[in-house]
Amino acid sequence: LAKTTQPISMDSYEGQEVNITCSHNNIATNDYITWYQQFPSQGPRFIIQGYKTKVTNEVASLFIPADRKSSTLSLPRVSLSDTAVYYCLVVPNYGGATNKLIFGTGTLLAVQP
Amino acid sequence: GAGVSQTPSNKVTEKGKYVELRCDPISGHTALYWYRQSLGQGPEFLIYFQGTGAADDSGLPNDRFFAVRPEGSVSTLKIQRTERGDSAVYLCASSSSEGTDTQYFGPGTRLTVL
Repeated sequence: LAKTTQPISMDSYEGQEVNITCSHNNIATNDYITWYQQFPSQGPRFIIQGYKTKVTNEVASLFIPADRKSSTLSLPRVSLSDTAVYYCLVVPNYGGATNKLIFGTGTLLAVQP
Repeated sequence: GAGVSQTPSNKVTEKGKYVELRCDPISGHTALYWYRQSLGQGPEFLIYFQGTGAADDSGLPNDRFFAVRPEGSVSTLKIQRTERGDSAVYLCASSSSEGTDTQYFGPGTRLTVL
């Protein structure tokens, strides 16, 4: 399974756009890139998933360059409630796979007033 | 609709005791996962069920850990002869099937072994 590398922590202010970049140099053809968010005392929550180019939903955007060796999670106009740990994961998609999620230590995003 | 629920939310036990942790997945979800999360770390995979069978138990740390899902819905994680190193948050997740389907996590059970 492809290993991911992301910053340990980031700081931001309310109203700013936050971009968290993740590298996954060994990503395989069948792998998808998935981001989860985790608040204290809660389980991780799915944010967004993509394979290539750009994916956008009501929460975030995910940018994936052509070589797919990295990806960037973009959170528009963050608020204090976006303070959380953000995990970048590479998830294989092939028949019969366990699809256990391999989490790293994530990026702790701290949003200040 | 209801999400994944886990009981108890907190469990304190003494070293050497037996504990059971319960997970109620989202109704209709065939895939169920158990993870363990230590302080400051991301969740670590333990075991995966597809239906009633354990399709992948490669993450179970040793034979003191065991999990069942007898009717393909509720699952119980069982830990025998607990050790202080077993203290962690135990998370359960479910998804509608395999592949890249989203895993929905419960709030976890915080296990403390004294």
